[in-house]
Amino acid sequence: GENVEQHPSTLSVQEGDSAVIKCTYSDSASNYFPWYKQELGKRPQLIIDIRSNVGEKKDQRIAVTLNKTAKHFSLHITETQPEDSAVYFCAALKGANNLFFGTGTRLTVIP
Amino acid sequence: EAQVTQNPRYLITVTGKKLTVTCSQNMNHEYMSWYRQDPGLGLRQIYYSMNVEVTDKGDVPEGYKVSRKEKRNFPLILESPSPNQTSLYFCASRVRPGVHQPQHFGDGTRLSIL
Repeated sequence: GENVEQHPSTLSVQEGDSAVIKCTYSDSASNYFPWYKQELGKRPQLIIDIRSNVGEKKDQRIAVTLNKTAKHFSLHITETQPEDSAVYFCAALKGANNLFFGTGTRLTVIP
Repeated sequence: EAQVTQNPRYLITVTGKKLTVTCSQNMNHEYMSWYRQDPGLGLRQIYYSMNVEVTDKGDVPEGYKVSRKEKRNFPLILESPSPNQTSLYFCASRVRPGVHQPQHFGDGTRLSIL
């Protein structure tokens, strides 16, 4: 299968600071890397994704970087706001069907 | 509105009593999948389906069954539930296999097996 490791498991930042969450994957065949945000009691929702042929993607305050050689990818949130507080999951798609998730990072933004 | 609908949202039941969690999507998606979410373990895939009558095991299929008789529905069946199947379950769909498009998740079903 694929092994996706995610760090840190918890992260607290002051409002306005940046947050970085890192993931590594084991299988070089993985080719698509989405990030999901899950608020308490809600469904996971896609916030950004990146394909294996792209090194970086940005959407307003959120960016994702991918290093295929090192098999790691990171989520960067700038100018954090209290509503960014949630659990964030990285994932790696291996082949056509199997999406493997990291174990999640609980981000707390302190006002 | 495009959505994935799961029922029930919450269920408390007893060991050995068969149950079914339904999942329906209205987006004409070919690909559907079931996950369970446990603290510290993230989401783990149970089963997936690439299209009608095509299903396959994910990472943690033991104790579960699925069927895909119609494109829109993908029920999860626990023939003889056990306490270790107490978890939060999510159904998800994607337009089709192999496409780098986001998965749409349902609202989740919290199962407690006593």
